[in-house]
Amino acid sequence: QSVLTQPPSVSGAPGQRVTISCTGGSSNIGAGYDVHWYQQLPRTAPKLLIFGNNNRPSGVPDRFSGSKSGTSASLAITGLQDEDEADYYCQSYDSSLSGSVFGGGTKLTVL
Amino acid sequence: QVQLQESGPGLVKPSQTLSLTCTVSHDSVDSRDYYWTWIRQPVGKGLEWVGRIFTTGTTNYTPSLRSRVTVSVDWSKNQFSLELRSVTAADTAIYFCARELIITSRLDYWGPGILVTVSS
Repeated sequence: QSVLTQPPSVSGAPGQRVTISCTGGSSNIGAGYDVHWYQQLPRTAPKLLIFGNNNRPSGVPDRFSGSKSGTSASLAITGLQDEDEADYYCQSYDSSLSGSVFGGGTKLTVL
Repeated sequence: QVQLQESGPGLVKPSQTLSLTCTVSHDSVDSRDYYWTWIRQPVGKGLEWVGRIFTTGTTNYTPSLRSRVTVSVDWSKNQFSLELRSVTAADTAIYFCARELIITSRLDYWGPGILVTVSS
C-alpha cells in the first residue's frame, strides 16, 4: 500500500489526452511539498519528467504537464504518442516519515 | 553530465548482508545541495524509497527497513553505499542510486540500477 495513490493503469489512442492522478495526504502533498513525476520505460531507470509540480526538465516535450491542488496532483499528456507507453510514478516528501514517498505507479498503454 | 553507477554482488544468500556501492561522476558527494539516495524496485513492481545520506553523515531511512539498513559515504572515493542486513527473498529487487535535491527532494539523476537476488 503506497502512501501516494495512483490508478494502476490508463490508456488512450494516439493523439489523445490522458491524465494520471496522484492522491496523498496532509503530511505530504497537502502539506505543500512539491510533487515530481518520473517516466520509466521498460528495463530502464526512471527519468525525471516533471519537477516542482509543473516544471519540465530540459528536453521533455511540452506535451507533458503537471498540476497540483490540495492533497492531489496530476500529470497530463497531450498528443499521445507510441513512445509514451511506459510506467509513470509520482513522488513527494512526507514529513511524518522524514523521507520521500512514491505512488504505486501507473502503466500507460497507447492503444 | 552527472553519472551514477551501482556495483556489488548480484546474488546474496538469505540471512546475509546485501552491500552495494554507488560511484558518482561529475559531482561530489561532498555537495551541500544534495542528498545521495537509494531506491529499490522489486521486479515488476513499484518504486520504494529506501534511504539517503547528506555529506555531514546525516541519514534518513524508510521506517519499514530502518532496523536493517545503513547508508554511508566515502568522500575520498566519491561513493556512497547501502548495507541491508538479514535479507530475505522479499529484498530481491533492482536497486537504484540517485541524486536528491535537498530543497525539493526531486531525484534528478539516477544510476541504471542493479538487480540483486536473494536466494540460496
